[in-house]
Amino acid sequence: SQTIHQWPATLVQPVGSPLSLECTVEGTSNPNLYWYRQAAGRGLQLLFYSVGIGQISSEVPQNLSASRPQDRQFILSSKKLLLSDSGFYLCAWKGIANTGELFFGEGSRLTVL
Amino acid sequence: AQKVTQAQTEISVVEKEDVTLDCVYETRDTTYYLFWYKQPPSGELVFLIRRNSFDEQNEISGRYSWNFQKSTSSFNFTITASQVVDSAVYFCALSERIYNFNKFYFGSGTKLNVKP
Repeated sequence: SQTIHQWPATLVQPVGSPLSLECTVEGTSNPNLYWYRQAAGRGLQLLFYSVGIGQISSEVPQNLSASRPQDRQFILSSKKLLLSDSGFYLCAWKGIANTGELFFGEGSRLTVL
Repeated sequence: AQKVTQAQTEISVVEKEDVTLDCVYETRDTTYYLFWYKQPPSGELVFLIRRNSFDEQNEISGRYSWNFQKSTSSFNFTITASQVVDSAVYFCALSERIYNFNKFYFGSGTKLNVKP
């Protein structure tokens, strides 16, 4: 069966520090991968998506970047965090077929102080 | 413009009451998919249901039921005899195919509080 795991679960970082959130998927090949952010009490905002290794699309200009060094690995990064980067980050995957739902990881809660 | 609108920000009900969560979507595609997700306090989004645009049959799963109406672009979710464990944020989502990729649009969510 397929599983998705992301870490760390909780992170408290000072402004200006770097960030790295990692997401891995097991039990499937060539998944579509997504990073979403959920600000406190709000909906989900799509940040990045990837249809293959090294292929990253960004939805909104921001202080973050994403990379996909391996088929089932998706990394969210920042060189210098801003206060506005605080939020709940969710990684998700989907099979390549047209049908199908997103499956989400456990989420990573980032607080920038 | 919002692709998915959940006008109800927060709903409070007493246990055993029925509650309906509204979802209105907007798309020009003829083929698309609609979803509901539950987000309990732990934060992880749990998939509840998927419907494709060609299947307007209503669906029932235990205490949960979904009403899909293309004429009004709505995909509403009803919980019958609500329970405290139903307390969560519920998200409606729309998926459209863009080239080789499915893009998902989420509503802003409806927070459901079920009181004992």
